Amino acid sequence: AQSVAQPEDQVNVAEGNPLTVKCTYSVSGNPYLFWYVQYPNRGLQFLLKYITGDNLVKGSYGFEAEFNKSQTSFHLKKPSALVSDSALYFCAVRDGPHNAGNNRKLIWGLGTSLAVNP
Amino acid sequence: DTGVSQDPRHKITKRGQNVTFRCDPISEHNRLYWYRQTLGQGPEFLTYFQNEAQLEKSRLLSDRFSAERPKGSFSTLEIQRTEQGDSAMYLCASSPPWGTNTEAFFGQGTRLTVV
Repeated sequence: AQSVAQPEDQVNVAEGNPLTVKCTYSVSGNPYLFWYVQYPNRGLQFLLKYITGDNLVKGSYGFEAEFNKSQTSFHLKKPSALVSDSALYFCAVRDGPHNAGNNRKLIWGLGTSLAVNP
Repeated sequence: DTGVSQDPRHKITKRGQNVTFRCDPISEHNRLYWYRQTLGQGPEFLTYFQNEAQLEKSRLLSDRFSAERPKGSFSTLEIQRTEQGDSAMYLCASSPPWGTNTEAFFGQGTRLTVV
């Protein structure tokens, strides 16, 4: 079964410093991986995805993520954190056989709370 | 606003009452998902529609839960005889029919509080 782990409940970083939010996954077959961000009392906003191709994926708001197959990781990164980046970040993997083409529901990690301090 | 819309944003209800939530997906999206999110947890899949057909339903969805998408456009999620454990954020998402791995777009959610 597909699963996602976010080993850190909370990450604290000073504004201007680089940030990393960790994610590891377990899948059968090729992984289709996603990062979403959630601000307080808001829905989930898509940041970026890895389907195939370059291991470094660039997304919204200056975020990027590096797919590492040997370490089964998909860590989210940003070179210089902003206070406005403070939010809850979720890593997700697409469930099910990848040739199904129908249900693309996501299996989610528990989330990591990012706090960027001024 | 052409995003996914959910109504109401907040609902407080007494235990035992029935509640119904509505989701309007992005207009050209034929796939629609319902998830539930409790505090400190990631979203949990509840059910999935492709057009008007409900193709998958999670075991999390007890008999008190029912979802419909009668015309393949908006969807409703009804909870009968609500219990305190139903208190959560209910999220709706949609995705388009094209492409093989397009991302899902989420609404802002309906926060249910059962008292």
